[in-house]
Amino acid sequence: SQELEQSPQSLIVQEGKNLTINCTSSKTLYGLYWYKQKYGEGLIFLMMLQKGGEEKSHEKITAKLDEKKQQSSLHITASQPSHAGIYLCGADETGSARQLTFGSGTQLTVLP
Amino acid sequence: NAGVTQTPKFRILKIGQSMTLQCTQDMNHNYMYWYRQDPGMGLKLIYYSVGAGITDKGEVPNGYNVSRSTTEDFPLRLELAAPSQTSVYFCASSYRDGYEQYFGPGTRLTVT
Repeated sequence: SQELEQSPQSLIVQEGKNLTINCTSSKTLYGLYWYKQKYGEGLIFLMMLQKGGEEKSHEKITAKLDEKKQQSSLHITASQPSHAGIYLCGADETGSARQLTFGSGTQLTVLP
Repeated sequence: NAGVTQTPKFRILKIGQSMTLQCTQDMNHNYMYWYRQDPGMGLKLIYYSVGAGITDKGEVPNGYNVSRSTTEDFPLRLELAAPSQTSVYFCASSYRDGYEQYFGPGTRLTVT
């Protein structure tokens, strides 16, 4: 399976600050999925990107997929304690989305 | 809708014992998946199913078995548990190819 690098591994920010999480693949992707996980819970779907240059937003979270479809970023504006958790990216390299490759996650802590 | 439910939430097994992790979804999804998540690592796909009666291996299938007799249920069987199978197990489902996967809350398994 391909390498999927997530950075940073952990992030501590003050409430109200903006932050960005990156997900980079060595291969061109058919799709990129962002999930959020709280400790002891399952993954919650955030957004899916499929087209080069695509950008999607939901509330204060924006995700982008670069033109080459090898790198995605997740940006949170004016972070809140409710944004805390582990953010995971999942990559579809086959076009079927049956076998997603996941990054190791970014642990986000938001200090009040 | 309850979504994806998993039982049990926690389990401790002795080496060599067997058990079945249960997974049920009420969204009438055709596709179902089993992942394991080790500390600090991303999710690894164990098995997946594209419909009742159809299953296929993922990235790390050794030591596990699955069956899919109904659309709703996708149990994961561990035979002869080993310490290397200590992990958090997640079940997920999706409508079809290219759609987001919905995750259950996970089963935390310890093999000692």
